[in-house]
Amino acid sequence: KNEVEQSPQNLTAQEGEFITINCSYSVGISALHWLQQHPGGGIVSLFMLSSGKKKHGRLIATINIQEKHSSLHITASHPRDSAVYICAVNYNNDMRFGAGTRLTVKP
Amino acid sequence: NAGVTQTPKFRVLKTGQSMTLLCAQDMNHEYMYWYRQDPGMGLRLIHYSVGEGTTAKGEVPDGYNVSRLKKQNFLLGLESAAPSQTSVYFCASQRGNVGNEQFFGPGTRLTVL
Repeated sequence: KNEVEQSPQNLTAQEGEFITINCSYSVGISALHWLQQHPGGGIVSLFMLSSGKKKHGRLIATINIQEKHSSLHITASHPRDSAVYICAVNYNNDMRFGAGTRLTVKP
Repeated sequence: NAGVTQTPKFRVLKTGQSMTLLCAQDMNHEYMYWYRQDPGMGLRLIHYSVGEGTTAKGEVPDGYNVSRLKKQNFLLGLESAAPSQTSVYFCASQRGNVGNEQFFGPGTRLTVL
């Protein structure tokens, strides 16, 4: 069983819709990361969380340490948000990743 | 700043051949990581380093070796390549401890025939 589970695996939305991607983990962590992988393959870090909530533009990330759960929200989605979103957790010096959520936003 | 760079971008090997992948970062980061990404499995940690001269095993270290002789470089070696090592390899670096953002290289696509 993977230590990090994401849902859904695939998500298709219409432009303007509110998007939620979920991440659950089963290990004690020191930090949780949300990453974005572009269609060309490049990976960028969106957020690093150890508690609470962070916001950057139209993206919001939350984490509930007690429930071992995090969510990534995208408000007013746009076709340029189409990408794979990856949840990853730090524990000790190790990193474990979810399998990713493929988001497609249609105009 | 170039950030994190990887050499080469693409490579095709025959089974049994050896090669070294180079990762370089110009951000003076202490931590560096090597990952592989396979379809449907997500990223998996191969080896990592918390500083110059130190390395440690990750989740899937078998068949790989690493070296961190200089702080800015992290090398990943395949001594005898196998088809199971066909993958996309990503390097990443991070400042200080685990609570900081990771910066990823562009990836190396390796095919072993």
